[in-house]
Amino acid sequence: QSALTQPASVSGSPGQSITISCTGTSSDIGAWNFVSWYLLHPGQAPKLMIYDVSNRPSGVSNRFSGSKSGNTASLTISGLQAEDEADYYCSSYIGNAARVVFGGGTKVTVL
Amino acid sequence: QVQLRESGPGLVKASQTLSLTCSVSGDSISGGANYWSWIRLHPGKGLEWIAYIYYTGSPYYSPSLRSRISISVDTSKNQFSLELRSVTAEDTALYYCARVDGSSRPHYFDYWGQGTLVTVSS
Repeated sequence: QSALTQPASVSGSPGQSITISCTGTSSDIGAWNFVSWYLLHPGQAPKLMIYDVSNRPSGVSNRFSGSKSGNTASLTISGLQAEDEADYYCSSYIGNAARVVFGGGTKVTVL
Repeated sequence: QVQLRESGPGLVKASQTLSLTCSVSGDSISGGANYWSWIRLHPGKGLEWIAYIYYTGSPYYSPSLRSRISISVDTSKNQFSLELRSVTAEDTALYYCARVDGSSRPHYFDYWGQGTLVTVSS
């Protein structure tokens, strides 16, 4: 069982906005602003989409945004596009153990 | 452009040791700005962080794998490696190497390799 909880799947129509949640505990997400999000397309290298809760790396579309409230982080994709269909994973730092944990992944489907 | 490439056997027999190497280009492992990590993706399951290491050799391991793994760096070759001992079918996965941003606590992975599939046979 993954340390962080994500919904198995989220879907939306082109142009809509969807939000993926990532729930942890007061030891990980709740304790640190060190949440990141990754996109996984089969056969491709995973891609960093968000780091430090809400920061976008250079080159990532501003349609992707991140936030956090308490022990839950969220990734919102606005203006959903067919190319956004992929698996998305969240992760968080666990400071007292100097390690990283991932969520179980969410499959995003564009209807 | 930073690039990472995993290499190693695609098939390992149960109870044996899996050895993987990650070759880095476009950045220097000994530059000291980053950590270097291994992560795996189980079939039908999620990502699992395995370990990361700083160029000086200080490793950090997943508690669940700590007793079976070793991570090391070879700065002369700009490579880092993973050894996973006593493998079982549960270790069948796609193994990725990744660069870890080191600007603060090592917590996010900004560059990844394409991954290498490792299958454990009985």
